[in-house]
Amino acid sequence: QKEVEQNSGPLSVPEGAIASLNCTYSDRGSQSFFWYRQYSGKSPELIMFIYSNGDKEDGRFTAQLNKASQYVSLLIRDSQPSDSATYLCAVNGKDTGNQFYFGTGTSLTVIP
Amino acid sequence: KAGVTQTPRYLIKTRGQQVTLSCSPISGHRSVSWYQQTPGQGLQFLFEYFSETQRNKGNFPGRFSGRQFSNSRSEMNVSTLELGDSALYLCASSFFARRQGTSYEQYFGPGTRLTVT
Repeated sequence: QKEVEQNSGPLSVPEGAIASLNCTYSDRGSQSFFWYRQYSGKSPELIMFIYSNGDKEDGRFTAQLNKASQYVSLLIRDSQPSDSATYLCAVNGKDTGNQFYFGTGTSLTVIP
Repeated sequence: KAGVTQTPRYLIKTRGQQVTLSCSPISGHRSVSWYQQTPGQGLQFLFEYFSETQRNKGNFPGRFSGRQFSNSRSEMNVSTLELGDSALYLCASSFFARRQGTSYEQYFGPGTRLTVT
């Protein structure tokens, strides 16, 4: 079983819609959760992090965490074509220092 | 504040050679982690350094090694290159290694694209 799983997509949404990206993780001891955006040919860019159960909002982005269900999601409101990228979910390990486990990413396309 | 820098950005090497990649973290960041990214495997953790000490190591062969200097700059070395080592090598820096089970956010550099022929 992979530590972090994401639906690889591709996910297509029309401009202005809400994009919902999901991630599940296997280590119940994980306490830090991150979302990165990666444009083709570029390195990952941190867009959100969340440590506590519930929702965390930052502009058009909302991260949602449910530790009991081992589930973390990212909502992008008012999606823009510039949001088209691969979104990577990252989770820290319980006893692995600063090592992050990454999902394989979900490819998002926002259609104008 | 300047971001994470990595040099070189691109490298082409032949099988059997060795390569050294360099990473300078964000000023004030003391933890440096290295990742390998390939289309098939995604982002895989190589190792993490904090205060010149390797704190954690991923599941890679001993041909992959690294070190960190007193100014937090880090290098990774790959010896006896194989075709399968072709990848994007990413360095990520973090303010601190870990506190109370949580991890500080990591910021990635632009990466070094290594091609082994």
